[in-house]
Amino acid sequence: DADVTQTPRNRITKTGKRIMLECSQTKGHDRMYWYRQDPGLGLRLIYYSFDVKDINKGEISDGYSVSRQAQAKFSLSLESAIPNQTALYFCATMSRGSGRGSYNEQFFGPGTRLTVL
Amino acid sequence: RKEVEQDPGPFNVPEGATVAFNCTYSNSASQSFFWYRQDCRKEPKLLMSVYSSGNEDGRFTAQLNRASQYISLLIRDSKLSDSATYLCVVTLNTGGFKTIFGAGTRLFVKA
Repeated sequence: DADVTQTPRNRITKTGKRIMLECSQTKGHDRMYWYRQDPGLGLRLIYYSFDVKDINKGEISDGYSVSRQAQAKFSLSLESAIPNQTALYFCATMSRGSGRGSYNEQFFGPGTRLTVL
Repeated sequence: RKEVEQDPGPFNVPEGATVAFNCTYSNSASQSFFWYRQDCRKEPKLLMSVYSSGNEDGRFTAQLNRASQYISLLIRDSKLSDSATYLCVVTLNTGGFKTIFGAGTRLFVKA
């Protein structure tokens, strides 16, 4: 079974609809992230969470909200979807850190392809 | 200026060729450096970390030049299966831990 799962994998919706993307992990990591990926722009951070009570905005949080329901679950909501939110969305996890504090790998879910018409 | 910059490519090389990618970063306080690989429509996966002393993993060699603020990835004896997008990733901790992804370099290896 995959360590980081995302649902749905694909979604087509209309402008103005509320959408929730869900992410679950079995890696036991404290840190979870939501990114979007657009062609030519790479991954951009939307929100991140270092534990259940710690939620932080990333570089492009406008139009999005998140909920960290448990250590293993981190959901992303689009309250009123618009066409420029059409993108590939990735959830990722990371451990708190090694003793060296520097070499931390992020583990990504398979992605959700969202299309807003 | 982007915090992490990569040549988007694409690099088109024949099987067996050696190919090198560079990546520059703007923040001298950057702490950790990685190369991730992303196949088309798939999630990024860690290829290798980049250590100050440089490191090698089979056909892949990564190097870090802190003075010039760039990292490199060298792929020797390219295989068809190396075709992918390679993402340069930098982390820093300046008032908060931050991970920055480059936009990626596309590689096509042809028979």
